[in-house]
Amino acid sequence: AQKVTQAQTEISVVEKEDVTLDCVYETRDTTYYLFWYKQPPSGELVFLIRRNSFDEQNEISGRYSWNFQKSTSSFNFTITASQVVDSAVYFCALLSGAGSYQLTFGKGTKLSVIP
Amino acid sequence: EPEVTQTPSHQVTQMGQEVILRCVPISNHLYFYWYRQILGQKVEFLVSFYNNEISEKSEIFDDQFSVERPDGSNFTLKIRSTKLEDSAMYFCASSVAAGSLPQHFGDGTRLSIL
Repeated sequence: AQKVTQAQTEISVVEKEDVTLDCVYETRDTTYYLFWYKQPPSGELVFLIRRNSFDEQNEISGRYSWNFQKSTSSFNFTITASQVVDSAVYFCALLSGAGSYQLTFGKGTKLSVIP
Repeated sequence: EPEVTQTPSHQVTQMGQEVILRCVPISNHLYFYWYRQILGQKVEFLVSFYNNEISEKSEIFDDQFSVERPDGSNFTLKIRSTKLEDSAMYFCASSVAAGSLPQHFGDGTRLSIL
């Protein structure tokens, strides 16, 4: 069975601080894909990144960076120099299993960036 | 940038009534999905659809639910006899190919059952 754990329910930071959102996943499959989605207060789900299980390179996109470590089954997300517009719920998700189409989401981390 | 479009944005329905939620996936996408999110909870998979048939469904997707692609652009989710616990945000998603590629989500339909 697949499982995604986001242990941090809510985080508050002051603007310009760095923040890391944790994601731990469980799967028995050797091929799987990890995703991060952002859900702003308006409610839509915005795709941020996809990473496959064979690519452990970290990725940076502007102020966002992701750290994928298979050894600890983690796929953490760091926002550098946070801004008020980063305030949202962030979901980590897993897709695994041959022929599977379903994303398994974590419970999400609500990030509040205080001006 | 192409988007997944969902209508209506908010649907209020009496318990026991049928409801149809509509989605227009991104035009060149071949795989379609429905997810739901009960208020304050995580997003849960309902069903995936490819080549005019269901490819995978979860335990939530029981006989009260059905999906259809009635024409070349729309993708619908029908709930036959709504229950209070069906109140949730329903998200439609689509992807170019099977699961490994990102699923792009619509803005959701908030379904309120009275």
